[in-house]
Amino acid sequence: SQTIHQWPATLVQPVGSPLSLECTVEGTSNPNLYWYRQAAGRGLQLLFYSVGIGQISSEVPQNLSASRPQDRQFILSSKKLLLSDSGFYLCAWSLGRDSGNTIYFGEGSWLTVV
Amino acid sequence: GNSVTQMEGPVTLSEEAFLTINCTYTATGYPSLFWYVQYPGEGLQLLLKATKADDKGSNKGFEATYRKETTSFHLEKGSVQVSDSAVYFCALSGGSGSARQLTFGSGTQLTVLP
Repeated sequence: SQTIHQWPATLVQPVGSPLSLECTVEGTSNPNLYWYRQAAGRGLQLLFYSVGIGQISSEVPQNLSASRPQDRQFILSSKKLLLSDSGFYLCAWSLGRDSGNTIYFGEGSWLTVV
Repeated sequence: GNSVTQMEGPVTLSEEAFLTINCTYTATGYPSLFWYVQYPGEGLQLLLKATKADDKGSNKGFEATYRKETTSFHLEKGSVQVSDSAVYFCALSGGSGSARQLTFGSGTQLTVLP
């Protein structure tokens, strides 16, 4: 069966420091991969999605970037964190192109920028 | 583009009460509709989904029917339990947006008291 792993689970970083959140999916090939952010008390915002290695689409202009160095690996990065980057980051995956295909989420990473 | 409007919370119910969380959407074409649940401190889990008009999704006693005439996908449960306390998100994919991306509502916090 397919599983998704995301780490670290929690992170406290000072303003201006770099960020790297990593996500891997097991048990499938060529998944669509996503990074979402959930700010405190708010809904989910799609940050990036990828349909293949090296193919990244950005939904929201921001201080973050994403990379997909391998088929089942998706990395969220920042060179210099801002206070507004604090939030709950969720990696997710799906298969295929149909709208009815379920998107599965990881357990999330709590980022606090201080 | 696509949008989802969800009943605002928080919602507080007593155990065994009837639950309805309203969800309406805006999209052209035939989107797929989802309900996700987020338990405290965790990622999102798919609760149920429906991919075409008049379909009923169901899981763990929860139900929602895809109503194209009213563009709605209301979540219902006949008798809630304390363990149902969580945040519930309505979402859609497809329609006038990408088939591979989810558009979320803002979430509804449900608290069930014993």
